[in-house]
Amino acid sequence: KNQVEQSPQSLIILEGKNCTLQCNYTVSPFSNLRWYKQDTGRGPVSLTIMTFSENTKSNGRYTATLDADTKQSSLHITASQLSDSASYICVVSVVPFREGAGSYQLTFGKGTKLSVIP
Amino acid sequence: NAGVTQTPKFQVLKTGQSMTLQCAQDMNHEYMSWYRQDPGMGLRLIHYSVGAGITDQGEVPNGYNVSRSTTEDFPLRLLSAAPSQTSVYFCASSYSIRESGNTIYFGEGSWLTVV
Repeated sequence: KNQVEQSPQSLIILEGKNCTLQCNYTVSPFSNLRWYKQDTGRGPVSLTIMTFSENTKSNGRYTATLDADTKQSSLHITASQLSDSASYICVVSVVPFREGAGSYQLTFGKGTKLSVIP
Repeated sequence: NAGVTQTPKFQVLKTGQSMTLQCAQDMNHEYMSWYRQDPGMGLRLIHYSVGAGITDQGEVPNGYNVSRSTTEDFPLRLLSAAPSQTSVYFCASSYSIRESGNTIYFGEGSWLTVV
């Protein structure tokens, strides 16, 4: 069964510090991996999308890495701000059975809840 | 450009009642979908559509109905609400789900409580 496991479940850090969130997946065949940020009471917002050939992608203070061999991804947040407090969701996309004809299926992780405190 | 718009934001239903969650997008997206988000679980796909007139079931379709008469709209109907359908519902859209790498946009969510 395709699974996406995220760790830690929750994390508290001081404002200005860096942190790294982890995502391990067993999805196959792999198409791409996405990181989303979900503020409390809001919908998820896309941070990065990486295909199997990409091993790093940045979006401002957010940097995602991907190791397709070990099926691991991480999201590194630099110089955290209070506004970074949110849940971060890892989403892995599976190649459809018939390329171009089916729909890519998404498997969502449960998310890591990050709290940035002053 | 409003993106993905969901209504209502909050709703309380009695067991057995029916209702429709509305979803509209103004980005001319081919792909639209509905998810539910429950505590301690990842988002789960209820139904999706790859174009007007085409819908299919996701992981947890029971108790829900959808239709796609236009590109813009993708309503989700609860036929006979049950307490197990208490959840947060998200509508999402993408230019195409048949191409890898397209950004998926989510609505702001609809909080549904069934008593």
